[in-house]
Amino acid sequence: EAGVTQSPTHLIKTRGQQATLRCSPISGHTSVYWYQQALGLGLQFLLWYDEGEERNRGNFPPRFSGRQFPNYSSELNVNALELEDSALYLCASSYAGGLSITGELFFGEGSRLTVL
Amino acid sequence: SQKIEQNSEALNIQEGKTATLTCNYTNYSPAYLQWYRQDPGRGPVFLLLIRENEKEKRKERLKVTFDTTLKQSLFHITASQPADSATYLCALDESGGYQKVTFGIGTKLQVIP
Repeated sequence: EAGVTQSPTHLIKTRGQQATLRCSPISGHTSVYWYQQALGLGLQFLLWYDEGEERNRGNFPPRFSGRQFPNYSSELNVNALELEDSALYLCASSYAGGLSITGELFFGEGSRLTVL
Repeated sequence: SQKIEQNSEALNIQEGKTATLTCNYTNYSPAYLQWYRQDPGRGPVFLLLIRENEKEKRKERLKVTFDTTLKQSLFHITASQPADSATYLCALDESGGYQKVTFGIGTKLQVIP
C-alpha cells in the first residue's frame, strides 16, 4: 500500500513569489492535514481538509491556503512568500475525522521550502 | 495558554540502557496522547497512542505512561539501540478527533554504542 506522497521534495523561491505544494493521501483516507515545521520548532498545525471541505485552520495568515480535490489529494498554496516561510511542510492523512482504530496520523516525507 | 513541554535538549544514553523521555502539558484536557518518531528531514512516524483512561501502554521495547493528574506522559525505550537515535515527539488531542492535534517540539535521543 502506497503511503502519503508529497511533491516537490524541495522547492526554492524568492520573497514575494507563490509556492504550491501537493499531497496524495493513503488510499481510503479522506482527511488531509498540513503542518509547518520550521527549524528548531515543533510541528505547527496549518489546515485540515475532509471530504473536500476546509474543516479547521491554525493560526496562520490568509496567504496560506489550500484545497482538497474530489480524489482527496490536496494542495497547499503560500502567497507573497516571506523569508520565515522557509520550513519543512508536512502532509498527513487519516480516515474520516475522528478516531481510527489506532488514532494515528500517517505523514508524508515533506516538502522543503526555501525562501531566498 | 496551552502548552506542551518536552526536553528540548538532546538526551544521550548508553546502548542497552532504558531511555526515558518526558512530555508535560498545561491547560489541556486531552482525550488521548500520541508519541511519534522523526528522523532528520523525514516525516514523523506513529509509535503509540494512550487514551485518557489508560495508565500504561506497551509495544515491544516501548512503554508509555499517562498521568492526567500530573499532566505528564513518560515514554520509555528499554534495551536501547543506536538505531533508536531519533527525535521523539509527543502529540495530544483534546477533541476526540484530529483537528486539534498539537505537537511538542520533540526530544532528540542519541544512543551511544
